[in-house]
Amino acid sequence: QVQLVESGGGLVKAGGSLRLSCSAPGFTFNVYYMSWIRQAPGKGLEWISYISNSGKSTYYADSVRGRFAISRDNAKNSVYLQMDNLRSEDTAVYYCARDRSAFDMWGQGTVVTVSS
Amino acid sequence: QSVLTQPPSVSGAPGQRVTISCTGSDSNIGAGADVHWYQQVPGTAPKLLRSGVPDRFSASKSGTSASLAITGLQVEDEAEYYCQSYDPSLSVPVFGGGTKLTVL
Repeated sequence: QVQLVESGGGLVKAGGSLRLSCSAPGFTFNVYYMSWIRQAPGKGLEWISYISNSGKSTYYADSVRGRFAISRDNAKNSVYLQMDNLRSEDTAVYYCARDRSAFDMWGQGTVVTVSS
Repeated sequence: QSVLTQPPSVSGAPGQRVTISCTGSDSNIGAGADVHWYQQVPGTAPKLLRSGVPDRFSASKSGTSASLAITGLQVEDEAEYYCQSYDPSLSVPVFGGGTKLTVL
């Protein structure tokens, strides 16, 4: 079954940085937009960023703009999320998802915990 | 606070029918954007609910709102359900806050 695989989560102090990775084997990666979506403990889903199939266009939610950066490497079938100046409110499970207007494929998620 | 509004919870007995509403605005659902629904079982990733799969699930949209109807409720339908649309003016996806379905 085709699946996305996230990695890179962990425990970090406020103000620190993490880089999340998402591997997408098994489909033609370079034709799809990709998004990162997060879910804080006990909360709902929050879209935070997407990147176009070529990587030339990126968008961010207001809550992360200027601190997070999305990128992709089509040769490696991977998408990344560089997270800088992390805050306690960034604590969440981070999912990557294939973006076809609907998010039709999700990874299992990677946990990011920011300690104050 | 989520851009799309959903009831926090709904419930029903096995075999019954429930509906989950999703209220947006002229900036998203009312602008003609598609509405998608996701099912999330605790501890797992959300899963896109494809139209009519299974056929007990059906989605509809009217004006600035959408709804998901589930007929013949089964115990395994117990989960959190999220609606999602798009805001063309901001070029960003938007989610509802989620609805917890309890099968009594």
